[in-house]
Amino acid sequence: RKEVEQDPGPFNVPEGATVAFNCTYSNSASQSFFWYRQDCRKEPKLLMSVYSSGNEDGRFTAQLNRASQYISLLIRDSKLSDSATYLCVVNEAAGNKLTFGGGTRVLVKP
Amino acid sequence: ETGVTQTPRHLVMGMTNKKSLKCEQHLGHNAMYWYKQSAKKPLELMFVYSLEERVENNSVPSRFSPECPNSSHLFLHLHTLQPEDSALYLCASSKDLVRGAGEKLFFGSGTQLSVL
Repeated sequence: RKEVEQDPGPFNVPEGATVAFNCTYSNSASQSFFWYRQDCRKEPKLLMSVYSSGNEDGRFTAQLNRASQYISLLIRDSKLSDSATYLCVVNEAAGNKLTFGGGTRVLVKP
Repeated sequence: ETGVTQTPRHLVMGMTNKKSLKCEQHLGHNAMYWYKQSAKKPLELMFVYSLEERVENNSVPSRFSPECPNSSHLFLHLHTLQPEDSALYLCASSKDLVRGAGEKLFFGSGTQLSVL
């Protein structure tokens, strides 16, 4: 089983619609969770951290479900500019690394 | 502009060449990283430096040789690479080492490397 697993997509989303996708992680001791966004041929950029209580940043909502070991990202009122690959990132309790998922590709279409 | 600058942006090299990738961060961070991103694969951590000391080496072939002369600069020296080493090489920095404390990574734009 992969340490961090994501549906690669693509998720084809009509402009203005809502899209949500999950990321599962295998290590129950994982402590920190993030969503990064990566545009085609560009570097990943931090989108948001994921807190235990869930958090919202504008049209983006992130949730953590420790019991089922997954995090989720929901995008409301999708914009064309939201088209990107969304990377799930997990930090384990020990060690010096963040483990990246393979990414979920989202394509927002007019 | 993320504060992490990588050069060159693109590099084409033969298997017998020697080249170096350069990374500079202007954020005052203490930790720097090299990642490899191959097509359709997750980012793979290659090397970690904290305050110029190598902290982790994730079983990377010796044809990749990192160098960190100070906390702002990081190099990746390449020699006798293979075609399967073609990938996007990303440098990143964080304020401190990622130790479960939720440190965030700031990436450079990457070097797209093609080995012929």
